[in-house]
Amino acid sequence: DTGVSQNPRHKITKRGQNVTFRCDPISEHNRLYWYRQTLGQGPEFLTYFQNEAQLEKSRLLSDRFSAERPKGSFSTLEIQRTEQGDSAMYLCASSLGPRYNSPLHFGNGTRLTVT
Amino acid sequence: KNEVEQSPQNLTAQEGEFITINCSYSVGISALHWLQQHPGGGIVSLFMLSSGKKKHGRLIATINIQEKHSSLHITASHPRDSAVYICAVKETSGSRLTFGEGTQLTVNP
Repeated sequence: DTGVSQNPRHKITKRGQNVTFRCDPISEHNRLYWYRQTLGQGPEFLTYFQNEAQLEKSRLLSDRFSAERPKGSFSTLEIQRTEQGDSAMYLCASSLGPRYNSPLHFGNGTRLTVT
Repeated sequence: KNEVEQSPQNLTAQEGEFITINCSYSVGISALHWLQQHPGGGIVSLFMLSSGKKKHGRLIATINIQEKHSSLHITASHPRDSAVYICAVKETSGSRLTFGEGTQLTVNP
């Protein structure tokens, strides 16, 4: 068990470019969450998967954002046509569901800077 | 008004002091989490509780479901406790967590 792994740790991109982040959850965890955190704020929910099914998606997730978890293991979060407002820390977390009180384990995040 | 509110936003203490961070929420919850975030961004889960009190080392977390309030206490604080402490609730109606804005704690030697 190596914990939740996110790659890359940092990404700098120019406005208008597409970026993709990867999250590898703890292997037996079937629930995977994406959150976004801007400076000085708490994390905001983006989307969550149970196995390969995307069960919930925040209104924050515009059409430029898409997330997948094709085999119910790792997940990718893609942002198309990035904007400066997309600059944030993108956090992934996983848990063992559907036990409602299963602890969440977070990755170290991917920090995105859009110039 | 945020669904989860923390106080204070910033807290500076001297080493050894007893520290309390408060969290109030306005929704029905199935669980409340206290999380610790260090400057690099990594988040560590400290506690998950749905009633009563939990203790781990110098950390104590309490929750009052009727009052929709939780507290995180740190006894004998140390500079290495300096971090952002975040309260997050899991609503009874779903699986997402709703986070407070965090409390920046600085413990000076």
